Amino acid sequence: SYELTQAPSVSVSPGQTASITCSGDNLADKYVSWYQQKAGHSPVLVIYEDTKRPSDIPERFSGSDSGNTATLTISGTQAVDEADYYCQAWDSSTGFFGGGTKLTVL
Amino acid sequence: QVHLVQSGAEVKKPGASVKISCKASGYIFTHYGMHWVRQAPGQRPEWMGWINTGNDDTKFSQKFQGRATIIRDTSATTVYMELSSLRTEDTAVYYCTRDASGNAFHYNRFDPWGQGTLVTVSS
Repeated sequence: SYELTQAPSVSVSPGQTASITCSGDNLADKYVSWYQQKAGHSPVLVIYEDTKRPSDIPERFSGSDSGNTATLTISGTQAVDEADYYCQAWDSSTGFFGGGTKLTVL
Repeated sequence: QVHLVQSGAEVKKPGASVKISCKASGYIFTHYGMHWVRQAPGQRPEWMGWINTGNDDTKFSQKFQGRATIIRDTSATTVYMELSSLRTEDTAVYYCTRDASGNAFHYNRFDPWGQGTLVTVSS
C-alpha cells in the first residue's frame, strides 16, 4: 500500500498565502492531483498533473512539486477556500489519497 | 455541462449486496472512463475501481478485487457498481467520478464527481 502524508491542519488569515504539502516515496516520479472538499459536499478537482489547473478553478490555486513533496498553494486565500484538501497519486495501477489537510481561514 | 447523478441512500444488513447507479449526461459517455471512490465518515477517500466505458475493461484496487463489480449500460449512459458480502466497515459515501483524461488508464484524474450515495451497513 502506498502512503501519502499530509499535515492534518493549516490555518491562514484572509488574503494571505496558504501552502499545503503532500509527501510520498518516489512522488517525484508520479503525477499528483489535488481535491477540495467542503463539508457535506463532493470533492472538486483543483490541480492535476502536479501543476495544471482546470479552467473553472480560480488562478489563486497553483501546484508545484520538488523532490518527493508536492505543494498546493492558495494565494490571496478567501473565506470560501475553507475546506479539506486531499492530494492523490497512482501507484501500481491503484489510486491513493493523502489523509487530508483541513484549511481554516481565520 | 457534465453531470453525474447517483441513486439514493441504501441500508443493508451484513452479508448483503448493494448496487449503486450513476447516470451520466452532458458528454459522450463512451469517451471517458468512470471511477468509483468511497469515503467512510471522517476518513480519506478510497479508490475502488474503474471501467473503460468504451470497451468494458475494468480495473480494481486489490482490496475490492472479487467483491466489487462495475458494469456500464451505454444506451442508458449509466454505470453501476455492485459491492457484495457487505460488512459494517463498508459503511461510507460512495461516489462515481468521471475520468477527465478519457478512457485510457493513464494519468487519470477525477472530474467531476457525483453527489454521493450513502450506504449504511448495520444489523
